[in-house]
Amino acid sequence: DTAVSQTPKYLVTQMGNDKSIKCEQNLGHDTMYWYKQDSKKFLKIMFSYNNKELIINETVPNRFSPKSPDKAHLNLHINSLELGDSAVYFCASSPLMTSGRFNEQFFGPGTRLTVL
Amino acid sequence: AQSVSQHNHHVILSEAASLELGCNYSYGGTVNLFWYVQYPGQHLQLLLKYFSGDPLVKGIKGFEAEFIKSKFSFNLRKPSVQWSDTAEYFCAVSTGTASKLTFGTGTRLQVTL
Repeated sequence: DTAVSQTPKYLVTQMGNDKSIKCEQNLGHDTMYWYKQDSKKFLKIMFSYNNKELIINETVPNRFSPKSPDKAHLNLHINSLELGDSAVYFCASSPLMTSGRFNEQFFGPGTRLTVL
Repeated sequence: AQSVSQHNHHVILSEAASLELGCNYSYGGTVNLFWYVQYPGQHLQLLLKYFSGDPLVKGIKGFEAEFIKSKFSFNLRKPSVQWSDTAEYFCAVSTGTASKLTFGTGTRLQVTL
């Protein structure tokens, strides 16, 4: 009964490679997010999708391309990986309340990406 | 753009001590406030949230937070910490109807026996 799941949990790869991280939520939420947590534990939003449409794109290099095939899935593809991409990537989802505000975000377990 | 400050980067307490973690935000409009906890090696979990109403919010595991609008603060408190509270604590804010969460830099809490 996992709410927000991500695969893989760990990803070790060489510089220059292309890799994807997958995220799925079974909570029925309309909005999904990708966050990056750096080595100092700082969390920063990268992207947000609402009903498969991109609504937030936070100054992320265009090597990162999110894709939302349906509102339950938000995948992250990274081209030409660099050392600085090493981080933990968290997926999250949230419902939209009737007031128009977004409620709390539910986070996945994270994907630890290590670029060698 | 909004920002969130957590001034305590690393806090060490003995079990049964009281806890207060500071959180200040900068935004003049309607805010939605959250505290998340990240236990070692785990994902973020919500401790509590504030949208409106009573500024004293009670969350899970005995945590509470008080929204003081005049001070732009949302400090987290617990009267008596346990060893199992050792974790990273993040304050976060979203504004109005925006979906984006802006996080503080986190406070690492270490509880010793």
